Amino acid sequence: AQTVTQSQPEMSVQEAETVTLSCTYDTSESDYYLFWYKQPPSRQMILVIRQEAYKQQNATENRFSVNFQKAAKSFSLKISDSQLGDAAMYFCAFRGANSKLTFGKGITLSVRP
Amino acid sequence: KAGVTQTPRYLIKTRGQQVTLSCSPISGHRSVSWYQQTPGQGLQFLFEYFSETQRNKGNFPGRFSGRQFSNSRSEMNVSTLELGDSALYLCASSPEPGQANTEAFFGQGTRLTVV
Repeated sequence: AQTVTQSQPEMSVQEAETVTLSCTYDTSESDYYLFWYKQPPSRQMILVIRQEAYKQQNATENRFSVNFQKAAKSFSLKISDSQLGDAAMYFCAFRGANSKLTFGKGITLSVRP
Repeated sequence: KAGVTQTPRYLIKTRGQQVTLSCSPISGHRSVSWYQQTPGQGLQFLFEYFSETQRNKGNFPGRFSGRQFSNSRSEMNVSTLELGDSALYLCASSPEPGQANTEAFFGQGTRLTVV
């Protein structure tokens, strides 16, 4: 069974600064995807970024990038130039062959103006 | 293209009652998954349906059930409600199941409160 661990329950960042959210996972599968989802107060889960396990190159989407360390089973999210709209709960998730998503507990990110 | 639609958005039920939640996936999507979100347990997988068949099931008691119709719409049912069933229930749709690279699109959820 897969597990996803987000050990930091909360983080705070100053507007325009950079913040990194940590995530580790455990799996015996070799082919899988990792995701970061954002859940704002509206409750709708929004995909931020995804990483294919067999790709060594780290994924980037505008201000969002990941640091994927497959051997260490680590998958952190870096948010650059933080904006007030980035304040939300962020979930790290694993998706393997059986297609179900396994989520971490989430981290609440606040952005200070 | 309309997103994933969940109804109702809010629901208050009494212990012992049963409840049915509905999810309409994105047009053309045939896989629907359900998740329960609580402050204590986080997001937990309930089940996944594809072509009116349950493909995967999470570790929940038999009081939790679901089904999928020929138009891919899905319903989940919880019988004999308990206080601990209070949660946000999220539905996610994907074009096809069994593909790790497929993005799951989520609805806004149904907030169930059991009193």
